[in-house]
Amino acid sequence: QVQLQESGPGLVKPSETLSLTCTVSGGSITRHYWSWIRQPPGKALEWIGYFYDSESTKYNPSLESRVTMSVDTSKNQFSLRLNSVTAADTAVYFCASPSSGSFFDAFDLWGQGTKVIVSS
Amino acid sequence: EIVLRQSPATLSLSPGERATLACRASPTMNTTYVSTFHLAWYQQKLGQAPRLLIYGASNRATGIPDRFSGSVSGTNFTLTISRLEPEDFAVYYCQHYGSTLFTFGPGTTVDIK
Repeated sequence: QVQLQESGPGLVKPSETLSLTCTVSGGSITRHYWSWIRQPPGKALEWIGYFYDSESTKYNPSLESRVTMSVDTSKNQFSLRLNSVTAADTAVYFCASPSSGSFFDAFDLWGQGTKVIVSS
Repeated sequence: EIVLRQSPATLSLSPGERATLACRASPTMNTTYVSTFHLAWYQQKLGQAPRLLIYGASNRATGIPDRFSGSVSGTNFTLTISRLEPEDFAVYYCQHYGSTLFTFGPGTTVDIK
């Protein structure tokens, strides 16, 4: 059974870079679409972007200029970097994916989420 | 790009009642295609990750009770909970996937009347 687990610092200073990792256990990270989603306090889910095998990435246009996603296949992990953060980036960040790995399937796999606060 | 609008924002009902949640998909460009095959519904409880309920507009995900059902008419999608159980009071999101961008709606809160 594939499981996802987010990790990273819970506090980031304004203007710095937020870095999170999602560890995939029970399955391979290759040939699979992986996404990051975030949820500001009391607000709706926001899709950040996806990547596939380092070959294909797509980011939400509202965040595209600040986002980078990457993968470390040796560790079965994928990462999110969001630079120049502000208080508006304070949120719970989730990694998620369709268990099939297909681009055309909904997200039935979710990590538990990790809370990130942007504050000095 | 596709914009998803959910209504109502809040639905106040009693256990045992029927809940009907709407999600309308609107393309921002005339050339954008709204796929009726790639609409999902998620349930989210406070402090938890979302849980997939419905995919492909009308298919229940594994382990989802049959009181949850999804339907579509054109670009208008509906999630119906036939008889609300106490554990069904939560926030529900629709999502369009399998397209250039994976968009979530703003959510509908189903709370206890």
